[in-house]
Amino acid sequence: GAGVSQSPSNKVTEKGKDVELRCDPISGHTALYWYRQSLGQGLEFLIYFQGNSAPDKSGLPSDRFSAERTGGSVSTLTIQRTQQEDSAVYLCASSFVQGNEQFFGPGTRLTVL
Amino acid sequence: GDSVTQMEGPVTLSEEACLTINCTYTATGYPSLFWYVQYPGEGLQLLLKATKADDKGSNKGFEATYRKETTSFHLEKGSVQVSDSAVYFCALSDKQGAQKLVFGQGTRLTINP
Repeated sequence: GAGVSQSPSNKVTEKGKDVELRCDPISGHTALYWYRQSLGQGLEFLIYFQGNSAPDKSGLPSDRFSAERTGGSVSTLTIQRTQQEDSAVYLCASSFVQGNEQFFGPGTRLTVL
Repeated sequence: GDSVTQMEGPVTLSEEACLTINCTYTATGYPSLFWYVQYPGEGLQLLLKATKADDKGSNKGFEATYRKETTSFHLEKGSVQVSDSAVYFCALSDKQGAQKLVFGQGTRLTINP
């Protein structure tokens, strides 16, 4: 079956521009996570969605970052007024319920010039 | 907060050599422990896991034992293959709340024929 998909696979943007990253989780998975993989910080948690519950935003690094999950499926991570330190690979993962194995997408590589 | 420390790389071995990648953790509770692997050009995938003390996770010839007394989860393989070349991440997750993954820095493993 289809795995977690993310788009775009690569995004190059200029400092100060807004970007949107998309994640399509595995069908039927209720839990969705965003992580960031960067050279300086390694792999770090950003935000978590579970069903209709309020998201856990404790990992978002600043108020320029936001995410939503519509209809309990597709999620969009938005970064406003991008900075060079936002350059990283953004990974999305989903699981059937929280605590089960998380399946990762291929990531979106974001480069801020 | 919770954290994971793993052996720094890169690690280079010859085929059929024994492998150990050290991983220790700090957590307030009794987390679940994981090893994830990222093969070249591919996404993160779960290699093995253990959910309680003295559990042994195993997959593809790799093993790791959850040691509560030493807060460790070292990854071992008796005879590595060229196809094992990848980046390996040790991770933990709390058993409550979001159960987000907290990752170590990753260890790049290269196996030479």
